[in-house]
Amino acid sequence: DVKVTQSSRYLVKRTGEKVFLECVQDMDHENMFWYRQDPGLGLRLIYFSYDVKMKEKGDIPEGYSVSREKKERFSLILESASTNQTSMYLCATHSSMNTEAFFGQGTRLTVV
Amino acid sequence: QQPVQSPQAVILREGEDAVINCSSSKALYSVHWYRQKHGEAPVFLMILLKGGEQKGHDKISASFNEKKQQSSLYLTASQLSYSGTYFCGTVEETSGSRLTFGEGTQLTVNP
Repeated sequence: DVKVTQSSRYLVKRTGEKVFLECVQDMDHENMFWYRQDPGLGLRLIYFSYDVKMKEKGDIPEGYSVSREKKERFSLILESASTNQTSMYLCATHSSMNTEAFFGQGTRLTVV
Repeated sequence: QQPVQSPQAVILREGEDAVINCSSSKALYSVHWYRQKHGEAPVFLMILLKGGEQKGHDKISASFNEKKQQSSLYLTASQLSYSGTYFCGTVEETSGSRLTFGEGTQLTVNP
């Protein structure tokens, strides 16, 4: 069974903290994505990676960074969490542009 | 660039039909359709590739007009289980494998 696993389902952090969201896939896919989901705004692309150590900014990269040291793991980093980063974060992966994407269960992050 | 979806929300009675549209200002390589139920991850429905094809399974089908960079998702004889938020995702011809989603269409099917 295909698996995309996000490290936490729910997370509460304080303003200014450094936050790490982890995503691990077991499908040997090259492409991994981080999206942010907010009501009425859909799924907005934060960053994506098309290979180990390779990354591209998405539509809303400000305040975020990413790391991909191994093919199966893609981390999203909030350098200094702020309340406007309270959101649902979804990780996804796909092998190529003409194949389906698989999503993790999401991490509901609350910054207080 | 995010594709644009319409309508934002649809309310149907069981058995009615619905159409959800997705458009982009960029030349597309592929269009993906996903459905997300509340509290769950989005689930893949189908993918349409450049070439203007139409795909379908059961009572859900989709078309892709590559000249207009538009795709439509057709839900016929809707069932209660069709309720959820539908997202179109697009891969632009010049963007490699970058997959960008629209704002979603909330579909509610009532008995």
